[in-house]
Amino acid sequence: GAVVSQHPSRVICKSGTSVKIECRSLDFQATTMFWYRQFPKQSLMLMATSNEGSKATYEQGVEKDKFLINHASLTLSTLTVTSAHPEDSSFYICSARDRLGLTFYEQYFGPGTRLTVT
Amino acid sequence: KNQVEQSPQSLIILEGKNCTLQCNYTVSPFSNLRWYKQDTGRGPVSLTIMTFSENTKSNGRYTATLDADTKQSSLHITASQLSDSASYICVVSRSNDYKLSFGAGTTVTVRA
Repeated sequence: GAVVSQHPSRVICKSGTSVKIECRSLDFQATTMFWYRQFPKQSLMLMATSNEGSKATYEQGVEKDKFLINHASLTLSTLTVTSAHPEDSSFYICSARDRLGLTFYEQYFGPGTRLTVT
Repeated sequence: KNQVEQSPQSLIILEGKNCTLQCNYTVSPFSNLRWYKQDTGRGPVSLTIMTFSENTKSNGRYTATLDADTKQSSLHITASQLSDSASYICVVSRSNDYKLSFGAGTTVTVRA
C-alpha cells in the first residue's frame, strides 16, 4: 500500500525556536495533504488542509501564523511550528490523500512526529 | 458533540479471546467508514474501509460490520494476540467534501 513518511520522528526544541516537520508521499502523488495534532489519550484533531501550489486552509482556532504549512510539490508538505512554546508539545501526524476512483479517495497517515518544547 | 462515538473507551482481554468494538455516527452525507489501528506513538494504519453498500469486510482476524440504516458499525477481533494491543479508531468520511470525522478511539489491551 501507499506509504507516507514523516521526518523527524521526534524532536526536542527550546521555547521560542522554530521547528520544521516534513511529510512525504513515497509512491503516489498527493494533491491534498492534511496535518493533525493528537494529545495523549485523545483522537486526531485536524489542524489544516493543504493543496499543492495553494495556501493551506486552517481549522477554526488554529493560528496560521504560528503553524506555517507549505505544500510545494505533489509529494512534499512541511509544517513549521514558529516560536514554539511548551503548550505546542504534541504528536503531529500528516496524511496524504490518493484518488482511487471518480468518487473515492484513500487517506494514508504518516508515522507521526513527537514534538517536545522545553 | 462528536459525530462519531465509540464504545467502550477501553477494554482489557486475555490473549486468545475475542472482542467487539462499537461505533455510532451521525456524519452526513455518508461516503465510507474506516477502522484504523493506532499503536502507541505511531500513526493510524487502515484496517478496513466500507462504503454504503457493504455490510461486512474482513482483514485477517479483524471483521468490520456496517449498518448504514442505523448508522452503526462494529469491529470484531478474533483470537486476540498481544500485538493487537492498540487504539482502534472509527473514522467516517463525508461524500460532499471527503472530510474525515474521527472517533475518540477504543484502547484495547491484550494480556497473556
